[in-house]
Amino acid sequence: GAVVSQHPSWVICKSGTSVKIECRSLDFQATTMFWYRQFPKQSLMLMATSNEGSKATYEQGVEKDKFLINHASLTLSTLTVTSAHPEDSSFYICSARDLQSPGNTIYFGEGSWLTVV
Amino acid sequence: GESVGLHLPTLSVQEGDNSIINCAYSNSASDYFIWYKQESGKGPQFIIDIRSNMDKRQGQRVTVLLNKTVKHLSLQIAATQPGDSAVYFCAENRGQAGTALIFGKGTTLSVSS
Repeated sequence: GAVVSQHPSWVICKSGTSVKIECRSLDFQATTMFWYRQFPKQSLMLMATSNEGSKATYEQGVEKDKFLINHASLTLSTLTVTSAHPEDSSFYICSARDLQSPGNTIYFGEGSWLTVV
Repeated sequence: GESVGLHLPTLSVQEGDNSIINCAYSNSASDYFIWYKQESGKGPQFIIDIRSNMDKRQGQRVTVLLNKTVKHLSLQIAATQPGDSAVYFCAENRGQAGTALIFGKGTTLSVSS
Protein backbone atom coordinates (compact mmCIF):
# COMPACT_ATOMS: atom_id res chain seq x y z
CA GLY A 1 0.00 0.00 0.00
CA ALA A 2 0.89 3.66 -0.01
CA VAL A 3 3.75 4.68 2.20
CA VAL A 4 5.02 7.97 3.49
CA SER A 5 8.72 7.97 4.26
CA GLN A 6 10.64 10.37 6.47
CA HIS A 7 14.36 10.94 6.52
CA PRO A 8 16.30 11.02 8.70
CA SER A 9 14.68 8.89 11.38
CA TRP A 10 16.78 10.63 13.97
CA VAL A 11 19.25 13.46 13.95
CA ILE A 12 21.42 15.23 16.48
CA CYS A 13 22.56 18.73 15.72
CA LYS A 14 24.37 21.49 17.51
CA SER A 15 22.53 24.50 18.80
CA GLY A 16 22.45 27.27 16.22
CA THR A 17 22.68 25.01 13.20
CA SER A 18 19.91 24.09 10.76
CA VAL A 19 18.56 20.66 10.04
CA LYS A 20 16.37 19.42 7.21
CA ILE A 21 13.79 16.66 7.45
CA GLU A 22 12.33 15.11 4.32
CA CYS A 23 8.87 13.66 3.83
CA ARG A 24 8.20 11.61 0.73
CA SER A 25 5.11 9.95 -0.61
CA LEU A 26 6.43 6.78 -2.19
CA ASP A 27 3.68 5.64 -4.53
CA PHE A 28 1.21 8.44 -4.77
CA GLN A 29 1.28 12.13 -5.48
CA ALA A 30 0.57 14.43 -2.59
CA THR A 31 -0.39 17.99 -3.34
CA THR A 32 -0.88 18.51 0.38
CA MET A 33 1.29 17.30 3.22
CA PHE A 34 1.12 18.12 6.90
CA TRP A 35 3.82 18.58 9.50
CA TYR A 36 3.26 17.79 13.17
CA ARG A 37 5.44 18.11 16.24
CA GLN A 38 5.13 15.87 19.25
CA PHE A 39 6.81 16.43 22.59
CA PRO A 40 7.19 13.52 25.02
CA LYS A 41 3.92 12.31 26.51
CA GLN A 42 1.96 14.83 24.49
CA SER A 43 -0.25 14.71 21.46
CA LEU A 44 0.59 15.55 17.87
CA MET A 45 0.37 19.27 17.30
CA LEU A 46 -0.18 20.49 13.76
CA MET A 47 2.55 22.88 12.71
CA ALA A 48 1.75 23.62 9.11
CA THR A 49 0.11 22.51 5.92
CA SER A 50 2.52 22.11 3.05
CA ASN A 51 1.10 22.90 -0.38
CA GLU A 52 2.87 21.81 -3.54
CA GLY A 53 4.00 24.79 -5.54
CA SER A 54 2.86 27.39 -3.07
CA LYS A 55 3.57 28.70 0.39
CA ALA A 56 2.88 26.63 3.43
CA THR A 57 0.09 27.54 5.81
CA TYR A 58 1.31 27.77 9.38
CA GLU A 59 -0.69 27.22 12.53
CA GLN A 60 -0.95 29.98 15.06
CA GLY A 61 2.18 30.26 17.15
CA VAL A 62 4.47 28.45 14.71
CA GLU A 63 7.27 30.64 13.42
CA LYS A 64 7.41 30.39 9.65
CA ASP A 65 10.92 31.82 9.50
CA LYS A 66 12.17 29.20 11.90
CA PHE A 67 10.39 26.21 10.42
CA LEU A 68 10.89 26.50 6.70
CA ILE A 69 8.71 24.27 4.58
CA ASN A 70 9.31 23.57 0.93
CA HIS A 71 7.02 21.42 -1.20
CA ALA A 72 8.68 21.62 -4.57
CA SER A 73 7.37 18.39 -6.03
CA LEU A 74 4.29 16.22 -5.71
CA THR A 75 6.17 13.62 -3.71
CA LEU A 76 8.46 15.62 -1.46
CA SER A 77 8.04 18.14 1.32
CA THR A 78 10.91 19.30 3.48
CA LEU A 79 10.93 20.88 6.91
CA THR A 80 14.03 22.85 7.83
CA VAL A 81 14.50 23.83 11.44
CA THR A 82 16.70 26.89 11.31
CA SER A 83 18.96 28.06 14.10
CA ALA A 84 17.90 25.11 16.16
CA HIS A 85 17.81 25.34 19.94
CA PRO A 86 17.42 22.62 22.56
CA GLU A 87 13.74 23.48 22.96
CA ASP A 88 13.23 22.47 19.33
CA SER A 89 14.14 18.91 20.26
CA SER A 90 11.06 16.92 19.46
CA PHE A 91 9.52 14.19 17.34
CA TYR A 92 8.49 15.57 13.96
CA ILE A 93 5.91 13.65 11.95
CA CYS A 94 4.58 14.28 8.48
CA SER A 95 1.45 13.05 6.81
CA ALA A 96 0.13 13.15 3.29
CA ARG A 97 -3.24 12.77 1.64
CA ASP A 98 -3.75 10.48 -1.28
CA LEU A 99 -6.48 12.36 -3.09
CA GLN A 100 -6.82 9.55 -5.63
CA SER A 101 -7.80 7.06 -2.96
CA PRO A 102 -11.34 6.48 -1.73
CA GLY A 103 -11.95 8.87 1.12
CA ASN A 104 -8.73 10.82 0.52
CA THR A 105 -6.75 8.52 2.78
CA ILE A 106 -4.18 10.12 5.05
CA TYR A 107 -0.87 8.34 5.58
CA PHE A 108 1.69 9.11 8.27
CA GLY A 109 5.43 8.84 8.19
CA GLU A 110 7.36 7.08 10.91
CA GLY A 111 8.59 10.34 12.36
CA SER A 112 11.96 12.00 12.81
CA TRP A 113 13.59 12.48 16.18
CA LEU A 114 15.47 15.76 16.48
CA THR A 115 17.83 16.33 19.37
CA VAL A 116 19.53 19.70 19.61
CA VAL A 117 22.57 19.79 21.88
CA GLY B 1 -7.46 25.66 21.64
CA GLU B 2 -7.92 21.95 21.22
CA SER B 3 -11.26 20.80 20.00
CA VAL B 4 -10.66 17.09 20.39
CA GLY B 5 -9.83 15.60 23.75
CA LEU B 6 -9.87 12.42 25.73
CA HIS B 7 -11.49 11.84 29.07
CA LEU B 8 -8.81 9.66 30.66
CA PRO B 9 -5.08 9.90 30.25
CA THR B 10 -4.40 6.28 31.24
CA LEU B 11 -6.27 3.00 31.17
CA SER B 12 -5.02 -0.22 32.71
CA VAL B 13 -6.66 -3.54 31.89
CA GLN B 14 -5.99 -7.22 32.23
CA GLU B 15 -5.26 -9.34 29.22
CA GLY B 16 -8.49 -10.66 27.78
CA ASP B 17 -10.63 -7.82 29.08
CA ASN B 18 -12.45 -5.45 26.80
CA SER B 19 -11.11 -1.88 26.69
CA ILE B 20 -13.06 1.28 26.04
CA ILE B 21 -11.26 4.51 25.23
CA ASN B 22 -13.30 7.69 24.98
CA CYS B 23 -12.95 10.93 23.13
CA ALA B 24 -14.95 14.15 23.04
CA TYR B 25 -14.95 16.63 20.23
CA SER B 26 -16.37 20.11 20.13
CA ASN B 27 -16.80 20.98 16.47
CA SER B 28 -20.10 19.78 15.12
CA ALA B 29 -18.79 20.47 11.61
CA SER B 30 -16.33 17.60 11.90
CA ASP B 31 -17.39 14.82 9.60
CA TYR B 32 -14.60 12.29 9.75
CA PHE B 33 -12.94 10.68 12.74
CA ILE B 34 -10.01 8.33 13.05
CA TRP B 35 -8.49 6.35 15.87
CA TYR B 36 -4.73 5.92 15.86
CA LYS B 37 -2.39 3.76 17.89
CA GLN B 38 1.08 5.04 18.59
CA GLU B 39 3.85 2.91 19.99
CA SER B 40 6.84 4.52 21.59
CA GLY B 41 9.07 6.28 19.08
CA LYS B 42 6.89 5.52 16.09
CA GLY B 43 4.42 7.36 13.93
CA PRO B 44 0.66 6.96 14.37
CA GLN B 45 -0.82 3.73 13.09
CA PHE B 46 -4.33 3.78 11.65
CA ILE B 47 -6.80 1.62 13.54
CA ILE B 48 -10.27 2.47 12.34
CA ASP B 49 -12.23 5.41 11.04
CA ILE B 50 -15.84 6.53 10.91
CA ARG B 51 -17.72 9.18 9.03
CA SER B 52 -20.39 11.33 10.54
CA ASN B 53 -23.17 9.60 8.64
CA MET B 54 -22.52 6.45 10.67
CA ASP B 55 -22.99 5.59 14.35
CA LYS B 56 -20.89 2.47 14.53
CA ARG B 57 -18.18 0.73 12.60
CA GLN B 58 -16.49 -2.54 13.33
CA GLY B 59 -13.10 -3.85 12.47
CA GLN B 60 -11.08 -6.78 13.64
CA ARG B 61 -11.41 -6.74 17.46
CA VAL B 62 -12.14 -3.02 17.36
CA THR B 63 -15.35 -1.04 17.22
CA VAL B 64 -15.78 2.69 16.95
CA LEU B 65 -18.95 4.35 18.17
CA LEU B 66 -19.94 7.88 17.27
CA ASN B 67 -22.56 9.84 19.16
CA LYS B 68 -23.08 13.08 17.33
CA THR B 69 -25.68 14.31 19.78
CA VAL B 70 -23.12 14.62 22.57
CA LYS B 71 -20.08 14.82 20.29
CA HIS B 72 -18.56 11.69 21.70
CA LEU B 73 -16.39 9.02 20.12
CA SER B 74 -15.25 5.77 21.62
CA LEU B 75 -12.93 2.93 20.68
CA GLN B 76 -13.70 -0.52 21.96
CA ILE B 77 -11.02 -3.18 21.85
CA ALA B 78 -12.20 -6.71 22.44
CA ALA B 79 -10.05 -9.30 24.21
CA THR B 80 -7.25 -6.84 24.82
CA GLN B 81 -3.76 -8.23 24.38
CA PRO B 82 -0.38 -7.07 25.70
CA GLY B 83 0.46 -6.00 22.15
CA ASP B 84 -2.36 -3.49 22.35
CA SER B 85 -0.41 -1.49 24.94
CA ALA B 86 0.23 1.90 23.37
CA VAL B 87 -1.07 5.45 23.30
CA TYR B 88 -4.36 5.88 21.48
CA PHE B 89 -5.41 9.10 19.84
CA CYS B 90 -8.63 10.17 18.28
CA ALA B 91 -8.39 12.65 15.45
CA GLU B 92 -10.98 14.69 13.65
CA ASN B 93 -11.18 16.19 10.24
CA ARG B 94 -13.26 19.12 9.33
CA GLY B 95 -14.71 18.82 5.92
CA GLN B 96 -12.48 19.72 3.04
CA ALA B 97 -10.00 17.32 1.51
CA GLY B 98 -7.08 19.67 2.02
CA THR B 99 -7.49 20.01 5.74
CA ALA B 100 -5.36 18.37 8.39
CA LEU B 101 -6.33 15.98 11.11
CA ILE B 102 -6.53 17.49 14.57
CA PHE B 103 -5.49 15.15 17.36
CA GLY B 104 -6.78 14.74 20.87
CA LYS B 105 -4.57 14.39 23.95
CA GLY B 106 -4.21 10.63 23.92
CA THR B 107 -4.91 7.74 26.29
CA THR B 108 -2.17 5.39 27.38
CA LEU B 109 -3.46 1.82 27.43
CA SER B 110 -1.53 -0.62 29.59
CA VAL B 111 -2.37 -4.30 29.32
CA SER B 112 -1.06 -6.65 31.95
CA SER B 113 -0.94 -10.39 31.53
